Formats: sequence, structure tokens, C-alpha cells
Amino acid sequence: DAGVIQSPRHEVTEMGQEVTLRCKPISGHNSLFWYRQTMMRGLELLIYFNNNVPIDDSGMPEDRFSAKMPNASFSTLKIQPSEPRDSAVYFCASGLIGTAPSEQYFGPGTRLTVT
Amino acid sequence: GNSVTQMEGPVTLSEEAFLTINCTYTATGYPSLFWYVQYPGEGLQLLLKATKADDKGSNKGFEATYRKETTSFHLEKGSVQVSDSAVYFCALDTGFQKLVFGTGTRLLVSP
Repeated sequence: DAGVIQSPRHEVTEMGQEVTLRCKPISGHNSLFWYRQTMMRGLELLIYFNNNVPIDDSGMPEDRFSAKMPNASFSTLKIQPSEPRDSAVYFCASGLIGTAPSEQYFGPGTRLTVT
Repeated sequence: GNSVTQMEGPVTLSEEAFLTINCTYTATGYPSLFWYVQYPGEGLQLLLKATKADDKGSNKGFEATYRKETTSFHLEKGSVQVSDSAVYFCALDTGFQKLVFGTGTRLLVSP
């Protein structure tokens, strides 16, 4: 099993540019989570999907952030326009809701730097 | 609300020392509890879990016991190795498919 795949692994962009982060969850999993990790704020849940449907986006910081899951094998997190304070490591995780307890499997992360 | 509190790090130990990382939680209901580990440059990995009171989770020499009376889930290892150096996260799942994570505790093990 390849695990959760994220791309790119590193992204450097200038303020104001659009950034798209991509995630391929583990095959057969029905839940997908996007997290952001910074030194100041730790690990924050941004949004999660169940069966491709967004269930809770209360962690999305503002309207500049959007996430989609068009099918069970792909999700994107978009930031438009990007700002320096968006610099962080973004993790995608997937899991299988319906098994107890729910476990999440994390990808390697995308390190985003906005200059 | 639901929350997890972990001891501040870093925890610095010599190889073969005994490890304890404290974790306490606040939750409604009866949450499942987890320890995740993050090695440098990687995502989080599930280390162990416990689903009900008095359950003991164990993996790779690490153990944690679900203590409902003290709302704790402390991580222990009898003899740490340099390769255990990482950040350890305590987390709880209240059943709504969302994990609530602690702030993480960095462990540094020297030879």
C-alpha cells in the first residue's frame, strides 16, 4: 500500500499567488482530513470529508482557503491569494469511518513557504 | 469542550533511560485515546490506542493505560533508544470522527 500521497512536497510562492495542494488518500478509505501545522499554533484541523462530502469546515481560516474532493481518490486544498502567514506544513490524512475507533493515516505533508 | 493537555517539552534523556510523557484529557462521554508519533520531516503515525477505561495500548515497547478516574493516558517506555527521538502527540476521538490533538512533546534521546 502506497499510503497517503501528497504533492508537491515543497512549494515556494510569492504573496498573492494561488497555491493548490493535492492529496490521494489510501484506497478504500472513506474519510479525508486536511491539517495545518505551525510552530505557533501546533496541529490544526482545517476541514474533513466523509464519502467525498465536506462535513466540517469550521477550521478553515478564511475565505481564501477552499477544499474539494471530486472523487474518492483525490482532494485539493487551494489558497487564493496566498499570504506569508499561510506558511506552514499542510498534512492530508485519510481513514475509514465506521470502524471503531477511527484511525487516521497521515501523508508526508507539503511544506508551503509564501514570501 | 474536548481538549488534551500534554507536558511541555523537550524531554531530554540518555539512551536506555525510562520515559514518561504525561497526557490528560477533558471530554464528554467516553472517548478513544491515541498516541501518535512524528519523526523529523514526516507525517504523524499512529503509535498506540485504547478504547475504554483500563485498556492498555502497546506498540514498539511503548505503553499507555486509559485511566478514567484521573482522565489520563500517560505514555511510557522502559528503555528509550536514539531512534525514538521524535515528537509525540496525545489525541482523543469523541466519536464524531474528529481527533483532538495535544500540542505535542518533543523527545530527544542522546547516546
